[in-house]
Amino acid sequence: EAEVAQSPRYKITEKSQAVAFWCDPISGHATLYWYRQILGQGPELLVQFQDESVVDDSQLPKDRFSAERLKGVDSTLKIQPAELGDSAMYLCASSTGGTGEFDTQYFGPGTRLTVL
Amino acid sequence: GDSVTQMEGPVTLSEEAFLTINCTYTATGYPSLFWYVQYPGEGLQLLLKATKADDKGSNKGFEATYRKETTSFHLEKGSVQVSDSAVYFCALSGLITSGTYKYIFGTGTRLKVLA
Repeated sequence: EAEVAQSPRYKITEKSQAVAFWCDPISGHATLYWYRQILGQGPELLVQFQDESVVDDSQLPKDRFSAERLKGVDSTLKIQPAELGDSAMYLCASSTGGTGEFDTQYFGPGTRLTVL
Repeated sequence: GDSVTQMEGPVTLSEEAFLTINCTYTATGYPSLFWYVQYPGEGLQLLLKATKADDKGSNKGFEATYRKETTSFHLEKGSVQVSDSAVYFCALSGLITSGTYKYIFGTGTRLKVLA
């Protein structure tokens, strides 16, 4: 069964350092999502791609966060500089993008970020 | 804007007990509704979904019915097992731009089942 891949699974960094997370969606999925999940809360959408284009990044802190999906396949989320409040689970998900509100999102295992 | 409200946890039950986790939503239009489950240290997995009013989603003994009149999508299971211990998230798919949708998640409800 196809899965969404993410790496690394765990990342510990010091504040003010740069970090990057990678996501490889299920093959053929046009839509890719990055979420941040703070402990005890639900996932919050950071950025949504349709192929290589950003369709929603309204909740992305653009002064320090950036995301790209250059060839419309895999994607990288970067934080520079990291702050203590960025400690969270970062989840990637993908969907076919072809069925609108009926789309089912498939999630990767996530990257647990700890900022010291 | 669109929102999802779930009952607060944790919910602690004995094995074979009946489970209900309440979920209500606020949305413009008629969103699709989902339940996802998250086991410790893992990402979210789709549990079930419903795409229109009165639809019943079901999977692994769990059920939820899309109630438009009460804007609810409560999750139920007749007999829980220890292996059902996890965090359960209710979500809706809401319109953000023409033809583009995004998920809105509830805060999650932690379920603990005791043997």
